[in-house]
Amino acid sequence: SQKIEQNSEALNIQEGKTATLTCNYTNYSPAYLQWYRQDPGRGPVFLLLIRENEKEKRKERLKVTFDTTLKQSLFHITASQPADSATYLCALEDYGQNFVFGPGTRLSVLP
Amino acid sequence: EPEVTQTPSHQVTQMGQEVILRCVPISNHLYFYWYRQILGQKVEFLVSFYNNEISEKSEIFDDQFSVERPDGSNFTLKIRSTKLEDSAMYFCASSPIQMSGANVLTFGAGSRLTVL
Repeated sequence: SQKIEQNSEALNIQEGKTATLTCNYTNYSPAYLQWYRQDPGRGPVFLLLIRENEKEKRKERLKVTFDTTLKQSLFHITASQPADSATYLCALEDYGQNFVFGPGTRLSVLP
Repeated sequence: EPEVTQTPSHQVTQMGQEVILRCVPISNHLYFYWYRQILGQKVEFLVSFYNNEISEKSEIFDDQFSVERPDGSNFTLKIRSTKLEDSAMYFCASSPIQMSGANVLTFGAGSRLTVL
């Protein structure tokens, strides 16, 4: 089954800077990869999906890349704001309809 | 915006007791899931459900767990005899069938289970 690593447990950045989060997986390359945001005590909320044949996907200040050779996805938040502080999870479809989540990176944007 | 609704938001139970967690998925969604998250740990897959039967289940989903869709709207998770290590946040999620094959999960707010 898939194993997912996310680069760091916690990341602190200054407001206005770009946050870059990394997701690495170990087994077969999935057809698509997703990023979710989780606030404390809440369920994950879907942000972006990128397919294996897409190099990059953007949504407002968010950008996701997907490199199936490196088995890696990068998640960028540009012009970060304190409201972006949350835990960000990447997720892959493992087999059937089973989605596996990474351990998450807790982002803190400091004013 | 359609929501996945979970009840109760918090349940405290004694070890060995049965617990039922309830979920109302989004009405036109066809895939249903239960995940759990132990405090400070990652979101772990328990089970997926489609067409009134279990599609996939993880090693965590042993004989003490069961799921049911008793009517057209509810999706329940039953834990038969709770253990201390079952204390966690349990999330229900649902997804539609995507013509493109990519399923996006919508999660509920979770049910926090505390086993004493």
